[in-house]
Amino acid sequence: EIVLTQSPGTLSLSPGERATLSCRASQSVSGNYLAWYQQNPGQAPRLLMDGASSRATGIPDRFSGSGSGTDFTLTISRLEPEDFALYYCQHYGGSPRYTFGQGTKLEIK
Amino acid sequence: QVHLQESGPGLVKPSETLSLTCTVSGGSIGSFYWSWIRQPPGKGLEWIAYIFYTGSTNYNPSLKSRVTISVDTSKNQFSLTLSSVTAADTAVYYCARGDPYYQYLDVWGKGTTVTVSS
Repeated sequence: EIVLTQSPGTLSLSPGERATLSCRASQSVSGNYLAWYQQNPGQAPRLLMDGASSRATGIPDRFSGSGSGTDFTLTISRLEPEDFALYYCQHYGGSPRYTFGQGTKLEIK
Repeated sequence: QVHLQESGPGLVKPSETLSLTCTVSGGSIGSFYWSWIRQPPGKGLEWIAYIFYTGSTNYNPSLKSRVTISVDTSKNQFSLTLSSVTAADTAVYYCARGDPYYQYLDVWGKGTTVTVSS
């Protein structure tokens, strides 16, 4: 089983600051199958990035993704109030087919 | 624009079977993978199973013995049954659409809360 470990568990920042969220895989994975999701309280997750670095439809360009192999990063260049949420990375292809990281909570400092 | 809507009972008794349906509107169920994912209260996301529109399935090994996923293309719906439920199965259950090439989950339902309790 491919395990995704996200860090930090909680990130406390202020609006306007830069956020860097990490997702580490227990073994090398293809970036084609690495996605990021945002979840606000009481809502379903929303696709942010697919293929590790491609923004999903309607996602603002302050969101960017990078990485390869075992280390992937989601960066938010200038935090807006609506960006404070939970973020999950996800991989497809192992067993189970879909695995999710445990999440990073981005909170207002 | 494609929308997904989960439906089913919000309360299930221990040892009974949970049954949920996801209705796809605004688009065809064809050519995509269709998944069920759940989220226990205060916890992370757990993928349960997917079905391709042709009927091909894949299950999370941790739940495989208790889960069945099915599709009804004539109704643009897919369904989940989870047998022998316990309190540990209490969660928000989401249905979602998977991209046919890279399987990222690009459309999600709003989720339905299922509580297992007597």
